[in-house]
Amino acid sequence: DQQVKQNSPSLSVQEGRISILNCDYTNSMFDYFLWYKKYPAEGPTFLISISSIKDKNEDGRFTVFLNKSAKHLSLHIVPSQPGDSAVYFCAASDPGAQKLVFGQGTRLTINP
Amino acid sequence: KAGVTQTPRYLIKTRGQQVTLSCSPISGHRSVSWYQQTPGQGLQFLFEYFSETQRNKGNFPGRFSGRQFSNSRSEMNVSTLELGDSALYLCASSPGAVSYNEQFFGPGTRLTVL
Repeated sequence: DQQVKQNSPSLSVQEGRISILNCDYTNSMFDYFLWYKKYPAEGPTFLISISSIKDKNEDGRFTVFLNKSAKHLSLHIVPSQPGDSAVYFCAASDPGAQKLVFGQGTRLTINP
Repeated sequence: KAGVTQTPRYLIKTRGQQVTLSCSPISGHRSVSWYQQTPGQGLQFLFEYFSETQRNKGNFPGRFSGRQFSNSRSEMNVSTLELGDSALYLCASSPGAVSYNEQFFGPGTRLTVL
């Protein structure tokens, strides 16, 4: 039972344009959502997060939007840069189970 | 501060063998979590240790086990390896008792089962 889903395995975007990565979840008890970025041969690194009581959080070029009624969150990267090419994982914090639940990941490729 | 380290980085085993992977958390971190990453499945939670006690466990068979030492270093063991166990095994450390939102990952151990 995949509680956190990233339905797009890959995304290709031109440099300078906006990248939008999407994530859907099923558990309404999740209280915190995070995005991690992963380069090959490295572990995931934390990128940005949002509490379930908010609908937007911004950090430089990265903005995360949360739509609780739709159980959907998205990560916007503007403008996209070649260094943003990586696999992005969406994760949700389950306070009852005290663990993070991850999505399958989306491979983002930024083309020059 | 040094980051999370995992050894070995790469490992090749054959079916039926057993394997032990090691993780050293960031200094001062007391929680260590283990994940399995496979294509199409993302990161699947294996277990979490805090102060030498397993605090949480994912939906993996009993062939997967772990432990944590008094210095917070952790090991995970997989017995009777199967082809499907081929994956990247990631370890993450967190500072305190309720810290599953602050996980710092190591580079992973790539396990190949032949």
